[in-house]
Amino acid sequence: GENVEQHPSTLSVQEGDSAVIKCTYSDSASNYFPWYKQELGKGPQLIIDIRSNVGEKKDQRIAVTLNKTAKHFSLHITETQPEDSAVYFCAAHRLTGGGNKLTFGTGTQLKVEL
Amino acid sequence: GAVVSQHPSWVICKSGTSVKIECRSLDFQATTMFWYRQFPKQSLMLMATSNEGSKATYEQGVEKDKFLINHASLTLSTLTVTSAHPEDSSFYICSARDIIRAGVTDTQYFGPGTRLTVL
Repeated sequence: GENVEQHPSTLSVQEGDSAVIKCTYSDSASNYFPWYKQELGKGPQLIIDIRSNVGEKKDQRIAVTLNKTAKHFSLHITETQPEDSAVYFCAAHRLTGGGNKLTFGTGTQLKVEL
Repeated sequence: GAVVSQHPSWVICKSGTSVKIECRSLDFQATTMFWYRQFPKQSLMLMATSNEGSKATYEQGVEKDKFLINHASLTLSTLTVTSAHPEDSSFYICSARDIIRAGVTDTQYFGPGTRLTVL
């Protein structure tokens, strides 16, 4: 099955700096990679996703890059703000077959300090 | 759009009782819903996949007789924790897969979660 590793487990940055979270996956057939933000006591919220036919996707301050050859993808948050503080999860999925399951990373606790 | 609700948001019950959690897709239809369990400071663990009109598919190690899942319509799935015990205390989260977008992507939209505490 799929295995997703996520690093770092905790990340502290100063407001205005950039934050980068990295994930690697094991199943070369995975072709859909969403990122979720989870605030304390709430459910995960999809913030950006990317399919394997694209190498990079950007949405305002958030961007995701994908390297299929190396089987890793990263989340980039620029100009971080205190409200970006949360736990971020990456995930990997196969759009066909694979039992329609998302395999999650272990999460990154991001803290944006004033 | 793509809103998923859960009810209740939190529940406290006595050991041995059963608790039902509802998951609804409010503005889209979902042939497939998923139930996750999350312990503090840990990742989401998939418990089962709920398919409308058919039996749920449980992950290895999840007791189907303890965690009853019903997906009677395209917008509602329920999880019933039967004979709950303190070790069942956890954060239960559902997600739903948009039937319209299912062929394009496999975006899952998550509910706000239900905090279960068993005394």
